[in-house]
Amino acid sequence: DAKTTQPTSMDCAEGRAANLPCNHSTISGNEYVYWYRQIHSQGPQYIIHGLKNNETNEMASLIITEDRKSSTLILPHATLRDTAVYYCIVRKPNFGNEKLTFGTGTRLTIIP
Amino acid sequence: GAVVSQHPSWVICKSGTSVKIECRSLDFQATTMFWYRQFPKQSLMLMATSNEGSKATYEQGVEKDKFLINHASLTLSTLTVTSAHPEDSSFYICSAREEGHPGGGNQPQHFGDGTRLSIL
Repeated sequence: DAKTTQPTSMDCAEGRAANLPCNHSTISGNEYVYWYRQIHSQGPQYIIHGLKNNETNEMASLIITEDRKSSTLILPHATLRDTAVYYCIVRKPNFGNEKLTFGTGTRLTIIP
Repeated sequence: GAVVSQHPSWVICKSGTSVKIECRSLDFQATTMFWYRQFPKQSLMLMATSNEGSKATYEQGVEKDKFLINHASLTLSTLTVTSAHPEDSSFYICSAREEGHPGGGNQPQHFGDGTRLSIL
């Protein structure tokens, strides 16, 4: 699976949009981009995933560049409860190789 | 949505004790579950892949006789830390992917809330 690069930490004001970047320049054609977050002392929570089209759900939007070498997770109206470590993971949809490799992620702090 | 339940949430026990952690998929079946370990201020590290009805697959450096995994049904996997010592103290997390979904192999994994293990 391709390697991802994320900023170590970010701050965002409460109520503003939080934009979390992820670089995955070595992504291959059939690899999906997944985003998870981990709030302190809890298990990771699935947020969203996509292949090449932009995706939106009740939690966030995922914007993937046309060349698929980078993506941005957007939390449209950040709240204090969005403070967490956010992980961007690239993985092939392979039934025989489903393990997720977590990097260090981005520690997002929402400031009141 | 898919829910994974882990039990217990936290355990404190004496050195030399064996500890069993359960991971259940509550509203879906999972032939494969995953066990991760997370030390303070570090990221999750995959320990092993649990396969229903067959032996687990362990990652390099993880002792299979130390961390026993049993996946006896399509909704339950257990991890037993045998003869636990203080260095085994960690946050253990399981995950599972909802199967039989029309989306196929790109469906996300869902995680339990983790078990914090403290060995005195």
